[in-house]
Amino acid sequence: SSELTQPPSVSVSPGQTARITCSGDALPKQNAYWYQQKPGQAPVLVIYKDNERPSVIPDRFSASSSGTTVTLTISGVQSEDEADYYCQSADSSAPYPVFGGGTKLTVL
Amino acid sequence: EVQLGESGGGLVQPGGSIRLSCAASGFTLSGYWMAWVRQAPGQGLEWVANINQDGSERYYADFLKGRLTISRDNAKNSLSLQMRSLRPEDTALYYCARVFSYYYNYMDVWGKGTTVTVSS
Repeated sequence: SSELTQPPSVSVSPGQTARITCSGDALPKQNAYWYQQKPGQAPVLVIYKDNERPSVIPDRFSASSSGTTVTLTISGVQSEDEADYYCQSADSSAPYPVFGGGTKLTVL
Repeated sequence: EVQLGESGGGLVQPGGSIRLSCAASGFTLSGYWMAWVRQAPGQGLEWVANINQDGSERYYADFLKGRLTISRDNAKNSLSLQMRSLRPEDTALYYCARVFSYYYNYMDVWGKGTTVTVSS
């Protein structure tokens, strides 16, 4: 299987830029996706196909990749962005998903 | 509106069984891979099982293999997860999710989840 590693927490002030990383050996060969999960709610897809956003997701959300690391960037962070964020990719040998451990974004 | 709704969760004794269901609305289930994902209290997301459009391909997380059966009834637009030999560590919120495609296997629609508690 393929493991994905995320930092447990990231903190930023409102209006600043938050960057959440996700590292995994398979990432250069696999697509990466990102989900936002607020307390008591189901996950919501925020990034797919490496850097596409569903129409309901603000354009302050973007993603990039470099080698074995993908990064979710939230520009001009707002208090409503405070949530847990999970990266997801595919297992290198089978068509099932692998999740990162999640990153708690705190807006100070 | 595209929606998924899980049901069937509850309190189960260790060693017991439970069957979770997921009803799809607003789209045709037969066009999609589907998945179950769970989240233990205070923990992250954990993939449980996948099934392809006609049920001919099924994949299970290694730590659950042998104790699960994922199935679907496309005529009823529903998905199921049968869990056996339950353990306290299976206590979690179980989500049903729509998988975009085989190649792009992200989950674009999620239900609200159903809670399974394994305890004596």
